[in-house]
Amino acid sequence: EVQLLESGGGLVQPGGSLRLSCAASRFTFSNYAMSWVRQAPGKGLEWVSVTSDSGGSAYYADSVKGRFTISRDNSRNNLYLQMNSLRAEDTAVYYCARWYISAITKYFDSWGHGTLVTVSS
Amino acid sequence: AIQMTQSPSSLSASVGDRVAITCRASRGIGNDLGWYQQKPGKAPKLLIYAASSLQSGVPSRFSGSGSGTDFTLTISSLQPEDFATYYCLQDHSYPLTFGQGTKLEIK
Repeated sequence: EVQLLESGGGLVQPGGSLRLSCAASRFTFSNYAMSWVRQAPGKGLEWVSVTSDSGGSAYYADSVKGRFTISRDNSRNNLYLQMNSLRAEDTAVYYCARWYISAITKYFDSWGHGTLVTVSS
Repeated sequence: AIQMTQSPSSLSASVGDRVAITCRASRGIGNDLGWYQQKPGKAPKLLIYAASSLQSGVPSRFSGSGSGTDFTLTISSLQPEDFATYYCLQDHSYPLTFGQGTKLEIK
């Protein structure tokens, strides 16, 4: 069974930085695009970013563009999210998710349990 | 960005009821839509992809329909474990966008 384990969440002051990690196991990590999705307390799901299987391309939500950077290390089976210039509205549980892409469809087929990021002074 | 408008935002129903949740896209997305279920404190779970394809292991009481701009998730006979929040997600283009969610509660 696919395993995705997020880490790196915590309390950070507004304007600060944080780096999230997602350790992947039990599948060939380098074969899959990967994504981050977040959920503010009591709110709905918000897609954050995606990276291709090679890490050569990435896309971002407008709300984080220019502040967050997604990356991956296929040799270590890890996905990352570097978050800079954090704001109170970035407070959320951040999920790592596997983004399955085929010729005819795309979907999130596996998710981690999430890591909580709290931005507050 | 494509906007996804999901309705209703909440729904009360009883075990055995048939319920439908809809999602409308701000422009045509073909069949590039998925449905996810989320229970409190848990990660979302894929139910339907490509608008109408049932994910492996998901009970057949779940079904999806629609194409273009209008989509529906139907649960044919509600079971106790189905009370959760449901989200649609368009995967037609980046940025990906979720609907606002539908909280399905026990009547």
